[in-house]
Amino acid sequence: LAKTTQPISMDSYEGQEVNITCSHNNIATNDYITWYQQFPSQGPRFIIQGYKTKVTNEVASLFIPADRKSSTLSLPRVSLSDTAVYYCLVGASNTGGFKTIFGAGTRLFVKA
Amino acid sequence: KAGVTQTPRYLIKTRGQQVTLSCSPISGHRSVSWYQQTPGQGLQFLFEYFSETQRNKGNFPGRFSGRQFSNSRSEMNVSTLELGDSALYLCASSLQDGPREQFFGPGTRLTVL
Repeated sequence: LAKTTQPISMDSYEGQEVNITCSHNNIATNDYITWYQQFPSQGPRFIIQGYKTKVTNEVASLFIPADRKSSTLSLPRVSLSDTAVYYCLVGASNTGGFKTIFGAGTRLFVKA
Repeated sequence: KAGVTQTPRYLIKTRGQQVTLSCSPISGHRSVSWYQQTPGQGLQFLFEYFSETQRNKGNFPGRFSGRQFSNSRSEMNVSTLELGDSALYLCASSLQDGPREQFFGPGTRLTVL
């Protein structure tokens, strides 16, 4: 299973774009990259998932370079409510099922 | 559509006791995974069930076990509780096996005294 490395914490101001990069040097061919958001005392919430190039949805964009050894979650114009922990996961289905390994996550603090 | 529900939400036990936590996945979801979250270790994968079969297991001792029923509801059991088992236990369900969006429940906060 590919291990992920993310910055421990990041600070930003309201209205700014935030980019959180995740390193996953040992990513396998079948692995997808998924990002989750977690608020205190709640379960993680899915943000976005991708395999290669760029994926965009209503809340974020995910940029994946050609070698797929890293990925960047981009949050456009953050607000105070985006203060949370963001997890990058890498994984795929193996013959026996799917095993999800969460890294330490990035604690994003958005200031007014 | 109702989300993932977990019962109970809070639980206090003493060392040596056992505990059973319950998870009801989103209707139609066949995969259920369990996680333990602590301040020191973060989110750690316990096990995953798919169609009543355990498909993957994390690095936890045999005191941690689980099962899934034919209606996809799942339970996890922790026997001989230790202080270090105090944690938020999260259950997540998904529609199918493989890389996919997991929907997490609110968790069960277990405190072992």
